[in-house]
Amino acid sequence: EVQLVESGGGLVQPGRSLRLSCTSSGFTFGDYAMSWVRQAPGKGLEWVGFIRSKAYGGTTEYAASVKGRFTISRDDSKSIAYLQMNSLKTEDTAVYYCSRAGELLDPDYWGQGTLVTVSS
Amino acid sequence: DIQMTQSPSAMSASVGDRVTITCRASQGISNYLAWFQQKPGKVPKRLIYAASSLQSGVPSRFSGSGSGTEFTLTISSLQPEDFATYYCLQHNSYPFTFGPGTKVDIK
Repeated sequence: EVQLVESGGGLVQPGRSLRLSCTSSGFTFGDYAMSWVRQAPGKGLEWVGFIRSKAYGGTTEYAASVKGRFTISRDDSKSIAYLQMNSLKTEDTAVYYCSRAGELLDPDYWGQGTLVTVSS
Repeated sequence: DIQMTQSPSAMSASVGDRVTITCRASQGISNYLAWFQQKPGKVPKRLIYAASSLQSGVPSRFSGSGSGTEFTLTISSLQPEDFATYYCLQHNSYPFTFGPGTKVDIK
């Protein structure tokens, strides 16, 4: 059974940093790209970015709203994907979901999400 | 960036109704379109991938169609557990973009 568990969310002040982790099990982590999607309170879904598998260079893509501030990385030996968030803004407040990218790179399995609140 | 629109933004329907939701892309995306269902307080769930392929375990009353710029999600006979918000996602080009969602509630 595919399982994705996010951790690391919480309350953080504007301008500070936070790192989210996504611990995966139930599949061969290194074979898949991994995505992050967020949802602000009461709003729709927003694709944040993803990281390709090492077989495809382990490169990353980001939404314009987070490019240059957020970095996605992965540790295949631990089956963990990370989302490093720097220079956080109040508008980054959201539930952050980790997801596995399916064969066509759309999210096929999702974690339960972790809430990030950016506030002074 | 590719913009996604959905219509309607909200609708009221009755159990047993046939429901159709439309998603349009600002430029052609071939069949790189997925549909997700999200119930209040719950995690999004993929229903359809590659525009028309049914996710394993999803009831056959859900179907998807379309290619290029116009896509539809159809629920052939709405069930009580189908009241939710539905989102489309284009994954043809970066950044991937979701539609704004269609909320389906009880009439």
